[in-house]
Amino acid sequence: EDKVVQSPLSLVVHEGDTVTLNCSYEVTNFRSLLWYKQEKKAPTFLFMLTSSGIEKKSGRLSSILDKKELFSILNITATQTGDSAVYLCAARLALDTGRRALTFGSGTRLQVQP
Amino acid sequence: NAGVTQTPKFRILKIGQSMTLQCTQDMNHNYMYWYRQDPGMGLKLIYYSVGAGITDKGEVPNGYNVSRSTTEDFPLRLELAAPSQTSVYFCASSSSTSGGAYNEQFFGPGTRLTVL
Repeated sequence: EDKVVQSPLSLVVHEGDTVTLNCSYEVTNFRSLLWYKQEKKAPTFLFMLTSSGIEKKSGRLSSILDKKELFSILNITATQTGDSAVYLCAARLALDTGRRALTFGSGTRLQVQP
Repeated sequence: NAGVTQTPKFRILKIGQSMTLQCTQDMNHNYMYWYRQDPGMGLKLIYYSVGAGITDKGEVPNGYNVSRSTTEDFPLRLELAAPSQTSVYFCASSSSTSGGAYNEQFFGPGTRLTVL
């Protein structure tokens, strides 16, 4: 059974701290790993990682994938209260042509206190 | 572009009632998906479609039906609502590119459904 596990489940930090969120996966026919940020409503896309060892950056956020060890991390430096959200990771599968579904982890709830 | 739109935003159903959750996208995406998200949990795939006229079951399809008569619309039907279907429902869409390398999913705002 395909599985995506995120840790920690929740995290409380203070503004300015650096956090690392973890995502491990066990899926067949893995294609890529995606990170989403979910505040009050729909998830918003952050990163898609397909190749091992290549860091993707967007401002204070960065992410990297290790396809040998089957995990990814999402780093947030100099956290701000606006970073408070649930962060979801999802493994994209390629089961056969046209099947592009995602398997989601249960998320890490990050709370950044002033 | 409006992106992915969903209606209604909220709905309360009685056990045994039926309803259709609407989803429309204006990005000409061929792939569309329905997910449900229970409190404190990740998203689980209910059904998906790779194009008009083609649908397939996801992880948790029981109690739901879908149709895809046009590229834009992907309604989700609940025939006999049960309390276990209380959840937030998200519709999403994505496009395929040649080689299939990029597949970001765009999500609608969600429908919060309560079955009492």
